[in-house]
Amino acid sequence: DSGVTQTPKHLITATGQRVTLRCSPRSGDLSVYWYQQSLDQGLQFLIQYYNGEERAKGNILERFSAQQFPDLHSELNLSSLELGDSALYFCASSVQGGNQPQHFGDGTRLSIL
Amino acid sequence: GQQLNQSPQSMFIQEGEDVSMNCTSSSIFNTWLWYKQEPGEGPVLLIALYKAGELTSNGRLTAQFGITRKDSFLNISASIPSDVGIYFCAGQDSGTYKYIFGTGTRLKVLA
Repeated sequence: DSGVTQTPKHLITATGQRVTLRCSPRSGDLSVYWYQQSLDQGLQFLIQYYNGEERAKGNILERFSAQQFPDLHSELNLSSLELGDSALYFCASSVQGGNQPQHFGDGTRLSIL
Repeated sequence: GQQLNQSPQSMFIQEGEDVSMNCTSSSIFNTWLWYKQEPGEGPVLLIALYKAGELTSNGRLTAQFGITRKDSFLNISASIPSDVGIYFCAGQDSGTYKYIFGTGTRLKVLA
C-alpha cells in the first residue's frame, strides 16, 4: 500500500460528459502529480501541484484541468470527453516535488462509451 | 510526449535466469527511478538513484546510474514467477526537473 488513495477505481461514462477524479496523497507529501496511461503505453505526465500551486505542466489537454486543495488532496477534471480519453489515470505524490521518488496510487480506470 | 528509450520492450525468460534491462536518454538526468507495475495496480517504486555511477541493490534487484547521466540499467538475478510485470524507468530531466517515464519492459517468467 503506497498510501496514495485514488477514487473512484472505475468510471464509465459517455462522450461529451465531464468527470472528476480524486487523489489523496500520502500523509506528509506536499506534491501531487497526475499521469495518463493508455492501453499498453507508458506513463504520460499531465500536471504537478506543490502545496496548492501548479508547479509543472506536461501534455495536458485544454479540456483537462486540475487543482490541489488546502488539505492537499487533488482533483483532475476531464470535460468534453472523447473516446480517446479512455485510459488509466494515476496520481502520485512526493514529499516536496524535487528529486524525491513519487509514490503512485492504484489509478482510476476511465472508460468512455 | 517525450519518453526515454527503454529496452527490451519485452522478455520471456526461464525461472532462475538473470534479467537485464536499460534506459537511455538524450538528456542529462538528475535522478533515475525504477518501478514495477502489475496488472490493475499502480507502479511501485523499486530503486531510486541520485548520483552518477551509483549502484544500488534491493534484494535480487540491482540498478545503476550511468556515468554519463544519460542511462541506467536494472538487473534482476535468479528470477522467480512473481517477478512478472512491467518495469518502468523514470528520469528527472536536469533542465526541466520533470520526470519522464520509459515505455516499459514487459517481463514474463516461465516456470
